[in-house]
Amino acid sequence: AQRVTQPEKLLSVFKGAPVELKCNYSYSGSPELFWYVQYSRQRLQLLLRHISRESIKGFTADLNKGETSFHLKKPFAQEEDSAMYYCALNPTGGFKTIFGAGTRLFVKA
Amino acid sequence: DTEVTQTPKHLVMGMTNKKSLKCEQHMGHRAMYWYKQKAKKPPELMFVYSYEKLSINESVPSRFSPECPNSSLLNLHLHALQPEDSALYLCASSQGVRAAIYFGEGSWLTVV
Repeated sequence: AQRVTQPEKLLSVFKGAPVELKCNYSYSGSPELFWYVQYSRQRLQLLLRHISRESIKGFTADLNKGETSFHLKKPFAQEEDSAMYYCALNPTGGFKTIFGAGTRLFVKA
Repeated sequence: DTEVTQTPKHLVMGMTNKKSLKCEQHMGHRAMYWYKQKAKKPPELMFVYSYEKLSINESVPSRFSPECPNSSLLNLHLHALQPEDSALYLCASSQGVRAAIYFGEGSWLTVV
């Protein structure tokens, strides 16, 4: 079955601390993976995708096919990073994106 | 224009009313979506249009009726809704399959 698991509902870190939001997926094909972010009172928006291998707002995510993971990392968290983060999987040939349950990140001053 | 715009932002309707949600994108995307999002939950797919044709209907009750008048517009017609249909309704678009999805700000719907 195709599934995305984000094991942490809430992650709380101090400003300046490293942060890692975990994402594991279950998919037998070649995955297309994304991180989406929803800041308070803002639209759900794309943060990054694995194929671009870029860093956005200091965040990076590496696809590990052996561990079927796509964890989101940032070395130094900022207060403005506080938001809901969703990991998402696009299966081959389909429009149906599978979202994880989401992790709320809270960065404390 | 790199946004998906939705109207209205807020809608309160009675269970016997008929109303519509509207969505517009000018990014040249050929796929458009309706999602439903409850508080603190991920978005749930309702419908997908590809090249103005209905591609996916996720077994949505018939009281929700989508319409795609052209490649830039997407409507969601609402009739005889139930209080449990109260949610944030998100419109989105993408270039195609497996592409990133661009969301609108959503329409907050309250059914009384």
